[in-house]
Amino acid sequence: QKEVEQDPGPLSVPEGAIVSLNCTYSNSAFQYFMWYRQYSRKGPELLMYTYSSGNKEDGRFTAQVDKSSKYISLFIRDSQPSDSATYLCAMSKMDSSYKLIFGSGTRLLVRP
Amino acid sequence: DAGVIQSPRHEVTEMGQEVTLRCKPISGHDYLFWYRQTMMRGLELLIYFNNNVPIDDSGMPEDRFSAKMPNASFSTLKIQPSEPRDSAVYFCASSLARAGVYNEQFFGPGTRLTVL
Repeated sequence: QKEVEQDPGPLSVPEGAIVSLNCTYSNSAFQYFMWYRQYSRKGPELLMYTYSSGNKEDGRFTAQVDKSSKYISLFIRDSQPSDSATYLCAMSKMDSSYKLIFGSGTRLLVRP
Repeated sequence: DAGVIQSPRHEVTEMGQEVTLRCKPISGHDYLFWYRQTMMRGLELLIYFNNNVPIDDSGMPEDRFSAKMPNASFSTLKIQPSEPRDSAVYFCASSLARAGVYNEQFFGPGTRLTVL
């Protein structure tokens, strides 16, 4: 069983829809939770990070962490065609914050 | 800033040949990471360096893989001999350690390796 599970999609939504992306994990030692966006043929870029539990909002993006359920989410409001990309969740432990464990990524397509 | 620079962007080679991938981190960054991305296994950390010193190479798949960082502005990942199952996109990333804040890793554009 992988430490981090993520539905690969693809997820296809119309422009303006609310998108929900999710990851589950098995290791309770994870403390840092990140979402990366990767466009085709590009390297991943950090969207948001959260330390421990709670919510974080940045513009149209909201990240949620539920450590009791070992479940993290990324919500995208008013989705745009430019949001079409693969979204990767990543996690790390307190004592090895540089060792990121990535989910397999969810491919998102926002249709105009 | 030019960001993390990787070369070559594409590499096609035959099984058994030596492959060398190169990375120039963002100037001033003190951490450097090598990742491999495949459809089957996703994005995996292979090795990372701090101030040019290898810290954790537990993700390096086999002895055929080796990485060096001779100075703060250059690193190589070498595969010798290469095998078809090494075909993947290899990413280099760098980061600057700062106390009290999350230390974001900045990824390069990747090298797409195909071993025939």
